[in-house]
Amino acid sequence: DAGVIQSPRHEVTEMGQEVTLRCKPISGHDYLFWYRQTMMRGLELLIYFNNNVPIDDSGMPEDRFSAKMPNASFSTLKIQPSEPRDSAVYFCASSLVGVDETQYFGPGTRLLVL
Amino acid sequence: GNSVTQMEGPVTLSEEAFLTINCTYTATGYPSLFWYVQYPGEGLQLLLKATKADDKGSNKGFEATYRKETTSFHLEKGSVQVSDSAVYFCALNSGYSTLTFGKGTMLLVSP
Repeated sequence: DAGVIQSPRHEVTEMGQEVTLRCKPISGHDYLFWYRQTMMRGLELLIYFNNNVPIDDSGMPEDRFSAKMPNASFSTLKIQPSEPRDSAVYFCASSLVGVDETQYFGPGTRLLVL
Repeated sequence: GNSVTQMEGPVTLSEEAFLTINCTYTATGYPSLFWYVQYPGEGLQLLLKATKADDKGSNKGFEATYRKETTSFHLEKGSVQVSDSAVYFCALNSGYSTLTFGKGTMLLVSP
């Protein structure tokens, strides 16, 4: 398996622009997680899905953030409008709960909002 | 609630030195415990895990033993290499689908 795939790997945008981050989980996994990592706040869980359904979005910082999972093999995290404080590395992870609790992480998207 | 506490870094060692990174936890029930490693510019990778008390997880020369009596899961390696330089995260899963992570400990190994 190719592992969790994220795109783009790097994104530079200007404040106010819309940003869309993409994730393809490992085939067959039933949970998908979005995290944000910064030096100041460390690793934060933003939202997670089970069988494409959002279960807990309490970590989403503001209404500017939204996430969707239209099918088992694709998820997006959207920021609209983006702000400089959104600059971070965003990770997607997937797991197959009940078989293996391990979360498998993608390589991340490094977002810089100018 | 659940929490994980790791020693603050950075931990700076010379090559071939002995490594210990402390991790203690607070959790309800009987959690599974994990160590993840993050190399520069990469995502987190599972290093090792233990699912019940007294289990020892091991991988790539790293070891950690699940100690329920002290609620600890300390990471050890007998002889570190420069290539082990990374950030190490301790984490737990207490029966739900999410992981609770520690803040991470940076390890720097010099030749």
